[in-house]
Amino acid sequence: ETGVTQTPRHLVMGMTNKKSLKCEQHLGHNAMYWYKQSAKKPLELMFVYSLEERVENNSVPSRFSPECPNSSHLFLHLHTLQPEDSALYLCASSQDEERGGYTFGSGTRLTVV
Amino acid sequence: AQTVTQSQPEMSVQEAETVTLSCTYDTSENNYYLFWYKQPPSRQMILVIRQEAYKQQNATENRFSVNFQKAAKSFSLKISDSQLGDTAMYFCAFMKQSNDMRFGAGTRLTVKP
Repeated sequence: ETGVTQTPRHLVMGMTNKKSLKCEQHLGHNAMYWYKQSAKKPLELMFVYSLEERVENNSVPSRFSPECPNSSHLFLHLHTLQPEDSALYLCASSQDEERGGYTFGSGTRLTVV
Repeated sequence: AQTVTQSQPEMSVQEAETVTLSCTYDTSENNYYLFWYKQPPSRQMILVIRQEAYKQQNATENRFSVNFQKAAKSFSLKISDSQLGDTAMYFCAFMKQSNDMRFGAGTRLTVKP
């Protein structure tokens, strides 16, 4: 399998639930990213991992918790979310020292009820 | 902070015609990279074209070309001979560093038969 794979594709969760989003890349990249995509808004960069170290956290609420156990896997742990957190969550990867752009997954459509 | 503005929320074009999508950005940097991504209904962001700011020549990829005006901070995308499969959201993106890509709000393009 190649590219960036995200699971699950769709997720519905209650505000008191705990769930995790998974991202896996098979491109040998050394940087991975979480973006939030809401309707009619620019993509919001949430977290950046480079060489498995978190390098950016754009004031994301603590109810979102990322984890990068190795260079191929990235998780986003979710707990006590709010309805306004409903969005498409996109994972991407890149080779840090290159400037060729990111490779994206197909996203997880999250609905918080 | 860098910002990316796409002033056309929606556009349409007849099949086989040419359409231009607008993008402007704000930065004080001299070296950076610009991208256009396409997001079809499958949701995966696909890199369409890339431009390096230090290169004066406009990038071209088959039917896709850009008009890069560095002084005006403008980076428009021209799609020639539009095809039904070009129907998608198009996002303009700016990158200064390798792990900090910023996106515009997108333009929804519909190609009509």
